[in-house]
Amino acid sequence: EIVMTQSPATLSVSPGERATLSCRASQSVSSNLAWYQQKPGQAPRLLIYGASTRATGIPARFSGSGSGTEFTLTISSLQSEDFAVYYCQQYNNWPPLYTFGQGTKLEIK
Amino acid sequence: QVQLVESGGGLVKPGGSLRLSCAASGFTFSDYYMSWIRQAPGKGLEWVSYISSSGSTIYYADSVKGRFTISRDNAKNSLYLQMNSLRAEDTAVYYCARDSLWELPDYFDYWGQGTLVTVSS
Repeated sequence: EIVMTQSPATLSVSPGERATLSCRASQSVSSNLAWYQQKPGQAPRLLIYGASTRATGIPARFSGSGSGTEFTLTISSLQSEDFAVYYCQQYNNWPPLYTFGQGTKLEIK
Repeated sequence: QVQLVESGGGLVKPGGSLRLSCAASGFTFSDYYMSWIRQAPGKGLEWVSYISSSGSTIYYADSVKGRFTISRDNAKNSLYLQMNSLRAEDTAVYYCARDSLWELPDYFDYWGQGTLVTVSS
């Protein structure tokens, strides 16, 4: 099983500033990496797939980078609606034993 | 627009059974692979099961293998999860999610709102 590790567990950032979230895979997942945003009481929402492609309707302030085992989600100029929990997910292996990171909570500083 | 609506959650005793349903609309359901994903209270996301578009290919997480059964009815645009021998650790919100168009692992582009399953005596 591929283990996904996100850091930090909690990130405190002021509105208008940049946030950088990390995700590490225990073995290479190529670029088969997605990022999701989850707000309290809501289902996760797809932000990024293919490590760097924004999903439909996702603002340009969200960007993803990385390949192999190291990935980053960057949110430039944080808006109030961006404070949430973010998860990474790998979809590289077959059978599809999908695994998620444990999440990073992005909170207002 | 794409909609996934889960139902069937509730309170069940340990060892009991429950059947979850997911009604799909706004896309050609029979073209897509689908998955169930769960989230225990205050915890992260855990993939549970996957089914191909035809229903012929199925996979489970080790934590539910032998106890849960995924199925689909393409004529009814519906996805199901039969859960037997339920344990306290199965307590979670269960989401259905749209998976791939082809026989390759993929990301989940649409999720339902989830249905809560509570296993407690």
